[in-house]
Amino acid sequence: DTGVSQNPRHKITKRGQNVTFRCDPISEHNRLYWYRQTLGQGPEFLTYFQNEAQLEKSRLLSDRFSAERPKGSFSTLEIQRTEQGDSAMYLCASSRSDRRGWETQYFGPGTRLLVL
Amino acid sequence: AQSVTQLGSHVSVSEGALVLLRCNYSSSVPPYLFWYVQYPNQGLQLLLKYTTGATLVKGINGFEAEFKKSETSFHLTKPSAHMSDAAEYFCAVTAGGGNNRLAFGKGNQVVVIP
Repeated sequence: DTGVSQNPRHKITKRGQNVTFRCDPISEHNRLYWYRQTLGQGPEFLTYFQNEAQLEKSRLLSDRFSAERPKGSFSTLEIQRTEQGDSAMYLCASSRSDRRGWETQYFGPGTRLLVL
Repeated sequence: AQSVTQLGSHVSVSEGALVLLRCNYSSSVPPYLFWYVQYPNQGLQLLLKYTTGATLVKGINGFEAEFKKSETSFHLTKPSAHMSDAAEYFCAVTAGGGNNRLAFGKGNQVVVIP
């Protein structure tokens, strides 16, 4: 169990550019979540996958955001035409649900995005 | 929908003193409750969780929390603060079952005074 990994750890970009982040979950975890955390706030849910299916998206996830999880393994989160308001820490978490639907989410170290 | 309230964004505690972080939740179904800790520039680490059963839950680093349904609370405590406890602490709630997205509170930044 090597934990959840995220790359890159830091990203600085200019407004209007596209960025892509990657998350590698704990192996055999069937669920993967993306959260966004702004300064002084708790993380906010963006979207989640069960295996390769994206099952829910938050209203926070505008049409500039897209997430994928091909083959149900790693996931990518892309932001197109970045805006300064996109500056935040993007956190990925993975979990494996048991028969009763209980699960514990394990978080990666996050990708800190700064849009200039 | 689930939500969490954590009052007092910054909490100062003397080394060796009791740490008490308050968490109140709102949930339309029986909640699953979590406390996570976040060190600077790192992700969230699970401290402890409550799903069902015993209402007093023990976690890592000497922390524990008690689920009180009548008070809709899940306060986090540690009898004696260490310098290494300086971090940000988040309470979170989820409904369980299908989408287990976590709803987090705003967090408590704990400062330990020598």
